[in-house]
Amino acid sequence: DAKTTQPPSMDCAEGRAANLPCNHSTISGNEYVYWYRQIHSQGPQYIIHGLKNNETNEMASLIITEDRKSSTLILPHATLRDTAVYYCIVRVAGGAQKLVFGQGTRLTINP
Amino acid sequence: DADVTQTPRNRITKTGKRIMLECSQTKGHDRMYWYRQDPGLGLQLIYYSFDVKDINKGEISDGYSVSRQAQAKFSLSLESAIPNQTALYFCATSESGTGGPNEQFFGPGTRLTVL
Repeated sequence: DAKTTQPPSMDCAEGRAANLPCNHSTISGNEYVYWYRQIHSQGPQYIIHGLKNNETNEMASLIITEDRKSSTLILPHATLRDTAVYYCIVRVAGGAQKLVFGQGTRLTINP
Repeated sequence: DADVTQTPRNRITKTGKRIMLECSQTKGHDRMYWYRQDPGLGLQLIYYSFDVKDINKGEISDGYSVSRQAQAKFSLSLESAIPNQTALYFCATSESGTGGPNEQFFGPGTRLTVL
């Protein structure tokens, strides 16, 4: 599975859009980009995933660059409850399907 | 009710003791996983199981064993606990099949302390 690079921490004001970057320059053609988050010692929570196209769901939007070497998770209107560690993970859809967690980005939403 | 449950939620034990952590799920998923998380770090995969008769080692299986008693139950055992196994343990499940991304659903975690 491809390696990902994320900033260790970010801050965002409540009500603003939080944009979390992820670099995955060695991503393969059959690898998806996943985002999970972990709110203080709780189990990680799936947010969104994508392969090539931009994706949006009720939680967030995922923007993947055309060369697929980087992506951005967007929380459009961040709330205090979005304070968490966000993990960007790249892997193929089949096979072992194990998730390889790096250290993620600690996002703090400030009032 | 939670889809993925773990028992106990907290456990303190002594070095050398055998301990079992249990995971149950009501999602009907075939695949189950055990992860550990050390403070300030990401999760590391211990063992995973694709169905009742399938057990696979993950990145850090030494010192651990697992049992898949049924589709809904996956237990993790520490045969002889040691202090560096003090960590937060998570169970997860996912659907089988290769057609889609198959996100994983995590339990609430078990905080284990080995003295």
